[in-house]
Amino acid sequence: DIQMTQSPSSLSASVGDRVTITCRASQTVTRYLNWYQQKPGKAPQVLIFGTSNLETGVPSRFSGSGSGTEFTLTISSLQPEDFATYYCQQSHSNPRAFGQGTKVVIK
Amino acid sequence: QVQLQESGPGLVKPSQTLSLTCTVSGASIRSGSYYWSWIRQSAGKGLEWIGYVYPSGSSTYKPSLKSRVTISMAPSKNQFSLKLTSVTAADTAVYYCAREGYDSLTGLLYYFDSWGQGTQVTVSS
Repeated sequence: DIQMTQSPSSLSASVGDRVTITCRASQTVTRYLNWYQQKPGKAPQVLIFGTSNLETGVPSRFSGSGSGTEFTLTISSLQPEDFATYYCQQSHSNPRAFGQGTKVVIK
Repeated sequence: QVQLQESGPGLVKPSQTLSLTCTVSGASIRSGSYYWSWIRQSAGKGLEWIGYVYPSGSSTYKPSLKSRVTISMAPSKNQFSLKLTSVTAADTAVYYCAREGYDSLTGLLYYFDSWGQGTQVTVSS
């Protein structure tokens, strides 16, 4: 099974900050890496699929990069509505797997 | 727009069977190449993929749960269901049904594009 590891587990940031979250896979997932945002009491929502493709309706301040085993989610200028938990997920093979999450909190 | 809604008991006794149903609207579960999935989330283990059923009716499960899980579909009702046997407290979680869809450009990039709101299931006597 492929294991997904995110870092950091949590971070504090201010509105306007540039935020970077890293996701590492235990073996290659090529480009089959997705990112989700989850707010308390809600289901996760996809932000980015296939490493760098922005889902329709997602603001352009979100971007993704990487390949193979190392991937990055970047928020270029953090907005108040972006305080949430972010998860990476591989769709390269079964069983599908998620990272443990990165909680972004207000500094 | 696809909508999914979970339903089922919120409390299950240890050793019994957890049964949940997901009702889909806005899309037919027998059409396309979508994977109709169950995912759970507990405080201790984060988001955990349980498995999916394909429009053909075939299913794939997480190996560590395979001996206890059945995911099936009821096409006439546009529903799919989850059964998890011999539950313990470790199965307490919020259970989500979700559709794993694919990008319109290549058809190769799969991701969970639609989710139900989630339902809390607690295993306790």
